[in-house]
Amino acid sequence: EPEVTQTPSHQVTQMGQEVILRCVPISNHLYFYWYRQILGQKVEFLVSFYNNEISEKSEIFDDQFSVERPDGSNFTLKIRSTKLEDSAMYFCASSEAPTDMVVEKLFFGSGTQLSVL
Amino acid sequence: LAKTTQPISMDSYEGQEVNITCSHNNIATNDYITWYQQFPSQGPRFIIQGYKTKVTNEVASLFIPADRKSSTLSLPRVSLSDTAVYYCLVDPRKAAGNKLTFGGGTRVLVKP
Repeated sequence: EPEVTQTPSHQVTQMGQEVILRCVPISNHLYFYWYRQILGQKVEFLVSFYNNEISEKSEIFDDQFSVERPDGSNFTLKIRSTKLEDSAMYFCASSEAPTDMVVEKLFFGSGTQLSVL
Repeated sequence: LAKTTQPISMDSYEGQEVNITCSHNNIATNDYITWYQQFPSQGPRFIIQGYKTKVTNEVASLFIPADRKSSTLSLPRVSLSDTAVYYCLVDPRKAAGNKLTFGGGTRVLVKP
């Protein structure tokens, strides 16, 4: 089965530093997402991205966050100035468009565990 | 968005059938019901999706009564590797960038 790939698997950074989390979505998918999960808590939506622009974002996704699809394969999440509360597992996901024949489902990567010290 | 309510946890034994019921009393006409599975330190994984009646795939069955105010995920003959958190989601199926809202899920523990 095709996979969403995320790198790195773990990232440790100092508060105030910038981090870039990288994802390679499934090749024929057109919709891309970032979610995060703080330890012991729910999976939270951050942002969705389609056709080189943000489709929807949550209140968590403030000016410190940005997403980019720099080339035909990568999808990145940048946090400009990390805070302690940004420590979480960040999941990238991708999907193809639902049609009458295609069930809409998200394929998630294994995540990047971000630790802000 | 329709709110979902599901048990916080369930225990089972290997070889048993596990049924997890999710309540979604204010489900809308254009909402679909989707279940995801999440193992520790991994991203959620799609299990099954339905709109009404019964849907079955190689992993599970999904039973949806006529009023659609609840749904039941059925996992036949579970094994230890089915220990995971199972999420019930109710969302409209839109064309692009559909935001999925995850609740707390049901933590299923399969014992030997």
